[in-house]
Amino acid sequence: EAQVTQNPRYLITVTGKKLTVTCSQNMNHEYMSWYRQDPGLGLRQIYYSMNVEVTDKGDVPEGYKVSRKEKRNFPLILESPSPNQTSLYFCASNPSGGSLGGELFFGEGSRLTVL
Amino acid sequence: GQQVMQIPQYQHVQEGEDFTTYCNSSITLSNIQWYKQRPGGHPVFLIQLVKSGEVKKQKRLTFQFGEAKKNSSLHITATQTTDVGTYFCTYNFNKFYFGSGTKLNVKP
Repeated sequence: EAQVTQNPRYLITVTGKKLTVTCSQNMNHEYMSWYRQDPGLGLRQIYYSMNVEVTDKGDVPEGYKVSRKEKRNFPLILESPSPNQTSLYFCASNPSGGSLGGELFFGEGSRLTVL
Repeated sequence: GQQVMQIPQYQHVQEGEDFTTYCNSSITLSNIQWYKQRPGGHPVFLIQLVKSGEVKKQKRLTFQFGEAKKNSSLHITATQTTDVGTYFCTYNFNKFYFGSGTKLNVKP
């Protein structure tokens, strides 16, 4: 089954404790991206990747890191989480990104709370 | 920066009433997509429009892409409670740009 898998789905952590949210897709998609969703602010892009070893900042990259060492995986790293990073996070993938369009496939979401 | 403006932010309708959400861009778009996110769920792709003036229908949903390819609309005829959720428009130009979404509530 074609899917985007995120883990963990729910996490409560404390300020400063490094954490990683994993994202994996099994569709051989080139484009992967991370979003955060906050009430009233819609979906805001954190980072995106057009292909392996290629990553770019989105609209709200501060406090986050990503890596794309393999095509299927795109982990989101919070080196020193802070309470303002409490949010609902979505990973998504697309066959090619760019201007070719095509469907974005979203993961189920990861709800992160930083105390 | 590049963005799409989406209105309204919220819409409350009585079941059976129609609903429309609009997206407007300051630039000409190569394509526009629409997504639906149910409460507690993740965004799910509905449709993509690429041609100027294009109109597509999915049962009670009608999607339009403006002649100038700078605006788009999603119209739902005779809403049902299953239509509840947030509707997003998005376009991609190297990366994907999302509208702020329209949250639809349908009262039975």
